[in-house]
Amino acid sequence: GENVEQHPSTLSVQEGDSAVIKCTYSDSASNYFPWYKQELGKRPQLIIDIRSNVGEKKDQRIAVTLNKTAKHFSLHITETQPEDSAVYFCAASIGRGTYKYIFGTGTRLKVLA
Amino acid sequence: NAGVTQTPKFQVLKTGQSMTLQCAQDMNHNSMYWYRQDPGMGLRLIYYSASEGTTDKGEVPNGYNVSRLNKREFSLRLESAAPSQTSVYFCASMAETEPYGYTFGSGTRLTVV
Repeated sequence: GENVEQHPSTLSVQEGDSAVIKCTYSDSASNYFPWYKQELGKRPQLIIDIRSNVGEKKDQRIAVTLNKTAKHFSLHITETQPEDSAVYFCAASIGRGTYKYIFGTGTRLKVLA
Repeated sequence: NAGVTQTPKFQVLKTGQSMTLQCAQDMNHNSMYWYRQDPGMGLRLIYYSASEGTTDKGEVPNGYNVSRLNKREFSLRLESAAPSQTSVYFCASMAETEPYGYTFGSGTRLTVV
């Protein structure tokens, strides 16, 4: 079945450094890739997304890259701040014309002050 | 502007008891979803509804039933709760225009003893 692998499971960085989280998907029909941030005890919230016809997208300190050939996509956070500490989930749409997403297992990011 | 509202927020059940988790959205979205979140396993799709009157199974449907009561409401029922169903449950809805990511409810923390 469809699968999304996410690495690393935990990541600690010093404040001001960059963080990179990587995901791999299996369904060649996937065409939409959202990223969610979940703070402790709260709901996941969409922070950035990318469609399959785009290779990179940036929003201030956050960027996402997509390599369709390799079925890889990554989240890049620059100039990390303590408030970036959270669990981050990648996701990929399943099949064509569907609105279902399969999620990665999450990355716990700790930004050390 | 409530978004997606879930009730209850917390629930403790005894093995074999039944209960219904309620979800309502006020964003006029067609698609609604139920996910469960377990440590180290990310978010897994239980059931979804692409439109009023339709429901489909996700990755982990066993032990659950759903009802799409109308466009706003999508409920999840546990007929005979088991300890393996101890989890945090999230309802979500999705817009048909960009951004396509989900809007999640605040979650229900369910413990089955």
